[in-house]
Amino acid sequence: DTGVSQNPRHKITKRGQNVTFRCDPISEHNRLYWYRQTLGQGPEFLTYFQNEAQLEKSRLLSDRFSAERPKGSFSTLEIQRTEQGDSAMYLCASSFDGQGGSGYTFGSGTRLTVV
Amino acid sequence: GESVGLHLPTLSVQEGDNSIINCAYSNSASDYFIWYKQESGKGPQFIIDIRSNMDKRQGQRVTVLLNKTVKHLSLQIAATQPGDSAVYFCAEPFSGRRALTFGSGTRLQVQP
Repeated sequence: DTGVSQNPRHKITKRGQNVTFRCDPISEHNRLYWYRQTLGQGPEFLTYFQNEAQLEKSRLLSDRFSAERPKGSFSTLEIQRTEQGDSAMYLCASSFDGQGGSGYTFGSGTRLTVV
Repeated sequence: GESVGLHLPTLSVQEGDNSIINCAYSNSASDYFIWYKQESGKGPQFIIDIRSNMDKRQGQRVTVLLNKTVKHLSLQIAATQPGDSAVYFCAEPFSGRRALTFGSGTRLQVQP
């Protein structure tokens, strides 16, 4: 297992198009998180899964955003009708129950540019 | 709302010097803090953590100090190396430790 994997690494899309990102967590991790990071800022929490259940969603996750983790393994984050304000790095992280900061592993992110 | 923030956006040091990166927090009930390092094009990487029942914790070349009285923590990096150049974030859990809240980060630039 080489860590948390995110695909694609970069995505350029036209405003109004839909995009989907994928995250493959560390295999034994049952928790999966999505964050958004804009330039010069720290990551901001979007949503959290425990196994296949989506247990929490941030107010940042508008109706145009949807995330799934259908089998409790990989997860997808879809953005519909993209806007220029959606341009950001989308980070995925995973962890296992009870682990603290050292067990929280981030992927390298998907950088989205909406033109 | 509660926040975790940083005093300085950029810190420039000479190679071999010690670096100190500061972080302020506002929630007096916060009991766990984490420092992350983020290199360009990568996700945040865990450096060290500290619980509120400790004042100091040391790792390899790094030390975190926690001052609960003034709600301040710092990350000290000894003998800073070019590979330490990155953005550093402090973070703390929220929502029952289901997620993390991050500050805006300090960029550390190491001059050769």
